Amino acid sequence: SQQGEEDPQALSIQEGENATMNCSYKTSINNLQWYRQNSGRGLVHLILIRSNEREKHSGRLRVTLDTSKKSSSLLITASRAADTASYFCATDPANSGYALNFGKGTSLLVTP
Amino acid sequence: GAGVSQSPSNKVTEKGKDVELRCDPISGHTALYWYRQSLGQGLEFLIYFQGNSAPDKSGLPSDRFSAERTGGSVSTLTIQRTQQEDSAVYLCASSSFSGGAYNEQFFGPGTRLTVL
Repeated sequence: SQQGEEDPQALSIQEGENATMNCSYKTSINNLQWYRQNSGRGLVHLILIRSNEREKHSGRLRVTLDTSKKSSSLLITASRAADTASYFCATDPANSGYALNFGKGTSLLVTP
Repeated sequence: GAGVSQSPSNKVTEKGKDVELRCDPISGHTALYWYRQSLGQGLEFLIYFQGNSAPDKSGLPSDRFSAERTGGSVSTLTIQRTQQEDSAVYLCASSSFSGGAYNEQFFGPGTRLTVL
């Protein structure tokens, strides 16, 4: 079942601006992962944040996790046209430990 | 090393035919997952393999779907008597398990299945 829900569904920004995407989920998790997908094919893993972590950075990416609100955010700073893609959050439910529950994604368009 | 590979990349079949989709996970990854993504949707979990344990088939949508993992490595997803609603991108992923926790899942490029 799909547990993560991304917000907004679509986001359009200009190069150089920051993009923020949010994810909400419903049940306790072991970890939350963010993925990027180009052209509806393979997913690229971006960041994994565990339930006992609050913030992680990777290059221009910053992920936060608030387990009390059951929410996460992905911030892409200084966006580039190449960042145009769909972004998915995926939760690893605490009671399953393996199968990821994906949301429907946020479609990001970065225009030059 | 190489990432997760899947074949074929595209498959067009007629309604009622059987299809086999193949996944070759990252070497050393004990966990293997199959997901399905319909147009404009998120990923839907299908089946999970971990080592030599019995697979978790709880996500398979019907008994027309089955999967095997031979020798703890390559996996084949079989769809019998395909229906038009089976049309989707089928994605395979693998992950390692360490320190009592599953690590990130690495995805293959997917197989786009079209049932006419």
